[in-house]
Amino acid sequence: GAGVSQSPRYKVAKRGQDVALRCDPISGHVSLFWYQQALGQGPEFLTYFQNEAQLDKSGLPSDRFFAERPEGSVSTLKIQRTQQEDSAVYLCASSLVSGGHADTQYFGPGTRLTVL
Amino acid sequence: AQTVTQSQPEMSVQEAETVTLSCTYDTSESDYYLFWYKQPPSRQMILVIRQEAYKQQNATENRFSVNFQKAAKSFSLKISDSQLGDAAMYFCALNQAGTALIFGKGTTLSVSS
Repeated sequence: GAGVSQSPRYKVAKRGQDVALRCDPISGHVSLFWYQQALGQGPEFLTYFQNEAQLDKSGLPSDRFFAERPEGSVSTLKIQRTQQEDSAVYLCASSLVSGGHADTQYFGPGTRLTVL
Repeated sequence: AQTVTQSQPEMSVQEAETVTLSCTYDTSESDYYLFWYKQPPSRQMILVIRQEAYKQQNATENRFSVNFQKAAKSFSLKISDSQLGDAAMYFCALNQAGTALIFGKGTTLSVSS
């Protein structure tokens, strides 16, 4: 079946612009995670949803970052008033359930955000 | 706090040879999961292998196997019969059920013919 998809794949924004990044998880996957990956580094956690509930947003770096998953499927990560330090690859991952073997997270291709 | 450490920023191997990537971790939890993910250049992260901490038997997936030493908090990845397509950045990661993955900084593996 289809994997996790993300759009756009590349986004260039001028400093101060707002951006919205979309994630389509694997159909039926309950859990959805957003990660931020700086160049040459490992991904770092941003936020986590179980269905439509945002259970953990402790990784969001500032109140300029906002995420939602209103119907428990597609999720959007919004960054307001982008800054140069927001330049990174934003990865989305989903898993079938929370807990047990089906907890393996499957990743999308990421959105590479460049803020000029 | 949980941490994952990959002490080898870069490794290289010849085709058909074997290479081992190192990973150590720290967690106070008794029930956790360990993963190796592969990220080819400009391509998406894919799962290589997974290990449940409660299982003593080391996980294997075709040419990939792990050496899981729970007491030492070590989780190394062995790639046998290396192929050109194995060239990528490899990340070691840790989580508890239903929580975010904690990643190491990665090891870049190059494969030469």
